[in-house]
Amino acid sequence: DTGVSQDPRHKITKRGQNVTFRCDPISEHNRLYWYRQTLGQGPEFLTYFQNEAQLEKSRLLSDRFSAERPKGSFSTLEIQRTEQGDSAMYLCASSLDWPNPRYGYTFGSGTRLTVV
Amino acid sequence: GENVEQHPSTLSVQEGDSAVIKCTYSDSASNYFPWYKQELGKRPQLIIDIRSNVGEKKDQRIAVTLNKTAKHFSLHITETQPEDSAVYFCAATPADNFNKFYFGSGTKLNVKP
Repeated sequence: DTGVSQDPRHKITKRGQNVTFRCDPISEHNRLYWYRQTLGQGPEFLTYFQNEAQLEKSRLLSDRFSAERPKGSFSTLEIQRTEQGDSAMYLCASSLDWPNPRYGYTFGSGTRLTVV
Repeated sequence: GENVEQHPSTLSVQEGDSAVIKCTYSDSASNYFPWYKQELGKRPQLIIDIRSNVGEKKDQRIAVTLNKTAKHFSLHITETQPEDSAVYFCAATPADNFNKFYFGSGTKLNVKP
């Protein structure tokens, strides 16, 4: 297990199309998070899973966004009817529970979405 | 919610000099403060973190200090090297919600050889 994996690395889509991203967390990590990062800014929290349960969603996550983690392992983030404002880097992270000393909040390399 | 501000936005130093990046936070309940380094096109990587029960933590050339009263924390890099050039992000997380980080806007550090 080499870390958090995200696929694809880059995605170019036309406005109005749907896109889906995948995240594979570190295998022993039960927590999984999605963030969005726009150019020149820090990552912004989108949503969080504890095992398969989605426990928190940011107001940034509009109705066009949906995330799943069906078996408590990998997760998908889908954006429907993409808009140009959705263009960003979508980062996934995973961790153990707090306050485990090996908490290990680790990010993936991200999926860069460009909506044209 | 928590608000994290980070300064400066860009920092240029000569190789061998020290660099200091400062962050302030608004939520007095925050008690975990990680620092991430992000190179161009790569993932944010944790370089050091501090929990609120300590005031300072050091790891080789990197140190973090925390002032809970003033609600600010700082990253110190000594003997900078060109490979330290990257964007650095501070973050904070509230005590009751270790499920998400609030990030600063980042500092682009350029170490000139």
